[in-house]
Amino acid sequence: GQQLNQSPQSMFIQEGEDVSMNCTSSSIFNTWLWYKQDPGEGPVLLIALYKAGELTSNGRLTAQFGITRKDSFLNISASIPSDVGIYFCAGPKISGGSNYKLTFGKGTLLTVNP
Amino acid sequence: SAVISQKPSRDICQRGTSLTIQCQVDSQVTMMFWYRQQPGQSLTLIATANQGSEATYESGFVIDKFPISRPNLTFSTLTVSNMSPEDSSIYLCSVAIGLANSYEQYFGPGTRLTVT
Repeated sequence: GQQLNQSPQSMFIQEGEDVSMNCTSSSIFNTWLWYKQDPGEGPVLLIALYKAGELTSNGRLTAQFGITRKDSFLNISASIPSDVGIYFCAGPKISGGSNYKLTFGKGTLLTVNP
Repeated sequence: SAVISQKPSRDICQRGTSLTIQCQVDSQVTMMFWYRQQPGQSLTLIATANQGSEATYESGFVIDKFPISRPNLTFSTLTVSNMSPEDSSIYLCSVAIGLANSYEQYFGPGTRLTVT
């Protein structure tokens, strides 16, 4: 099946620093989704990307859909303590006409030191 | 977007028993899913809950262990049957909204299950 390789696995940064994480795949995706999961909560959708080359921002977050459609990155600028959590990339596979399934990366654990 | 609620939010159960988790969505949705997230892991799709027909299970998951109901377009249940400690996980309900090649998928808050 499709694999999403997400890196880095974890990051420890100081408050105010910028953060970058990325996902790559051997397969082409038509959509990239980025989620954040706080402890004890379900994942929350941060950004959705639908076109190759697309660059989308959501506050301090910026994500890009790679030109090859096989990768995406998420940047967080000027990190704050509440950015702590696990960030997941995800891409849907649609097969068999209507068989839709979302594949997840393994996540990036972000720790922000105040 | 969609607002998804789950009940219970957490439970501690004895091995050999069963637990049914409920998922309620604030709007009618076609695509609804159940995921499992084991401690420290990513999300794994259990099954797609189909309205009016049997759920579609992923490899490694079977109906006898994880029976699913989907009586309408806003509600679904997942039962974890004959539980063992290995079933201790977070179980998440999810829905996908949109058109082909432009779906957005949303998750409920999860049900944290501990089996003793």
